[in-house]
Amino acid sequence: GQNIDQPTEMTATEGAIVQINCTYQTSGFNGLFWYQQHAGEAPTFLSYNVLDGLEEKGRFSSFLSRSKGYSYLLLKELQMKDSASYLCAVTDSNYQLIWGAGTKLIIKP
Amino acid sequence: EAEVAQSPRYKITEKSQAVAFWCDPISGHATLYWYRQILGQGPELLVQFQDESVVDDSQLPKDRFSAERLKGVDSTLKIQPAELGDSAMYLCASSQNEREYTDTQYFGPGTRLTVL
Repeated sequence: GQNIDQPTEMTATEGAIVQINCTYQTSGFNGLFWYQQHAGEAPTFLSYNVLDGLEEKGRFSSFLSRSKGYSYLLLKELQMKDSASYLCAVTDSNYQLIWGAGTKLIIKP
Repeated sequence: EAEVAQSPRYKITEKSQAVAFWCDPISGHATLYWYRQILGQGPELLVQFQDESVVDDSQLPKDRFSAERLKGVDSTLKIQPAELGDSAMYLCASSQNEREYTDTQYFGPGTRLTVL
């Protein structure tokens, strides 16, 4: 079967750095997405990785290792507004998007 | 910036009633998706359209759910009759390109359905 694993919940302090991990087992791989979802709102696109390595976009970076079936989202200089769920999703060999359950990130002052 | 539009934002209904949700994708986006999301879970794909054609409705409970995109632009998702277990967020998303291509999906604000 197809599976994406993320921690259910993480807590971090304002101004700090947090890394949210995602491991996947899918039928093929055609790219990995990270989305942010605030409570009661729709997911918004953060990043896309298809090749190994680190993609940096402002305070957010995303890393991919295809051989390990592993990705992480790195959030720097955490702000209270970063409190949200972070969803990892993988496109499989049929170009279907497989979603993880999301990681709820709680930021404390 | 172009956005996906959905209505209504909130819907409260009694079980056994019919409900309908509407979605207007970003202009020019060929692919439209309807998802259901239960609190604490990732989105679950209900149906995917390529223009006006259904390309995946394998997870759509067809005894009570129906979806259409008659002119290949906006779309309607209907539930009849609604059941208590249908309470969830219903999300619409669109992407620009054809199948066989990894493309970013952009989501509308969602419809929060509560079935009493």
